[in-house]
Amino acid sequence: SQKIEQNSEALNIQEGKTATLTCNYTNYSPAYLQWYRQDPGRGPVFLLLIRENEKEKRKERLKVTFDTTLKQSLFHITASQPADSATYLCALDDDGQAGTALIFGKGTTLSVSS
Amino acid sequence: DAGVIQSPRHEVTEMGQEVTLRCKPISGHDYLFWYRQTMMRGLELLIYFNNNVPIDDSGMPEDRFSAKMPNASFSTLKIQPSEPRDSAVYFCASSFGPGSYEQYFGPGTRLTVT
Repeated sequence: SQKIEQNSEALNIQEGKTATLTCNYTNYSPAYLQWYRQDPGRGPVFLLLIRENEKEKRKERLKVTFDTTLKQSLFHITASQPADSATYLCALDDDGQAGTALIFGKGTTLSVSS
Repeated sequence: DAGVIQSPRHEVTEMGQEVTLRCKPISGHDYLFWYRQTMMRGLELLIYFNNNVPIDDSGMPEDRFSAKMPNASFSTLKIQPSEPRDSAVYFCASSFGPGSYEQYFGPGTRLTVT
């Protein structure tokens, strides 16, 4: 069956450390993988998109990797801050076909303590 | 642009009643998506439209759910009759495209069916 799994429901780290979140998928062949941030009581907000032929993408303190052999994406936040505390969702396009929608993982809730 | 607009933000209704959720997408976006989010199941795609035409409604739980998009600036999700298990947060999102494009989410409608 098709599954998207995010490494854990919750991740607690100290301010200044690097947070690493994992997204694994099975029985999908996505052409794109996206990461979103969701704060309590709000809708998800887009952060980064990475294509299957891209190994790594960066945006400020964020870095995403995409390994289609391992069927895994890693999401890193360097020099984490308490303001980074939120739930992070990965999402991929179903079957890598144009015209298909995104399938979301359940998310990992990150807590950064000062 | 004001972003994706959803109404109402909160809805409390009794079992058996009809519920109508409303969404105004971002102007110029050709795709509109309806999602449901619960703790147990995460963010699930219910249905999505391209240029006001429903493309995939396989996520709609049952015939009690229906969605329409009469024009490019308005969509509704209707539940009739509502049941307690329909209690969730319902999000509308819009984008320029399907899986390869970022999605912009509305603030959501928190539905409680008693």
